[in-house]
Amino acid sequence: LAKTTQPISMDSYEGQEVNITCSHNNIATNDYITWYQQFPSQGPRFIIQGYKTKVTNEVASLFIPADRKSSTLSLPRVSLSDTAVYYCLVGDSPNSGYALNFGKGTSLLVTP
Amino acid sequence: NAGVTQTPKFQVLKTGQSMTLQCAQDMNHNSMYWYRQDPGMGLRLIYYSASEGTTDKGEVPNGYNVSRLNKREFSLRLESAAPSQTSVYFCASSEALTGQGYGYTFGSGTRLTVV
Repeated sequence: LAKTTQPISMDSYEGQEVNITCSHNNIATNDYITWYQQFPSQGPRFIIQGYKTKVTNEVASLFIPADRKSSTLSLPRVSLSDTAVYYCLVGDSPNSGYALNFGKGTSLLVTP
Repeated sequence: NAGVTQTPKFQVLKTGQSMTLQCAQDMNHNSMYWYRQDPGMGLRLIYYSASEGTTDKGEVPNGYNVSRLNKREFSLRLESAAPSQTSVYFCASSEALTGQGYGYTFGSGTRLTVV
């Protein structure tokens, strides 16, 4: 299983761009990189997934360098409602022996 | 689509009592999971079922048992509840995204207190 390392917490002001970096040095060839967001008293929800280069959707962008040993989740112009815990996960399918380890994630606090 | 449905949403047990947490998904996903979340500990995997008919232990399986009843349902049983099992329990299911890796859908959680 590819172990991930991400900051425990981050602070930001409204309107700023927030970049959360995740390290995954032993990522395997078949592994995808997925980010989830969790609000208090709710289950995590899928934000974005990528394999290499850059992926963008209506919520965020995901930057993955060529060596894939790290990834950066970018949240443009955050608002108070982006205050949440963000999890970086690396893996393939459960059938290949991979089970999801969320860890503690990065707690993002957005203030006015 | 309801997604992943967990019951009950809240439960208070006395030490030594038993109970089963129910989870059902209507997305035809093959894989299902049970997690617990404690303050400051993140999400920890208890058990998972990669496909119907199989179950495997996760990081913290002691004190729990699971049953993959069918493709839709995956239950978590506490045989003799202990205060250390006070937590929020989340069920999840996963399936491959089109042309990509796996995406996971979580239920809204069961808040369990053992007194």
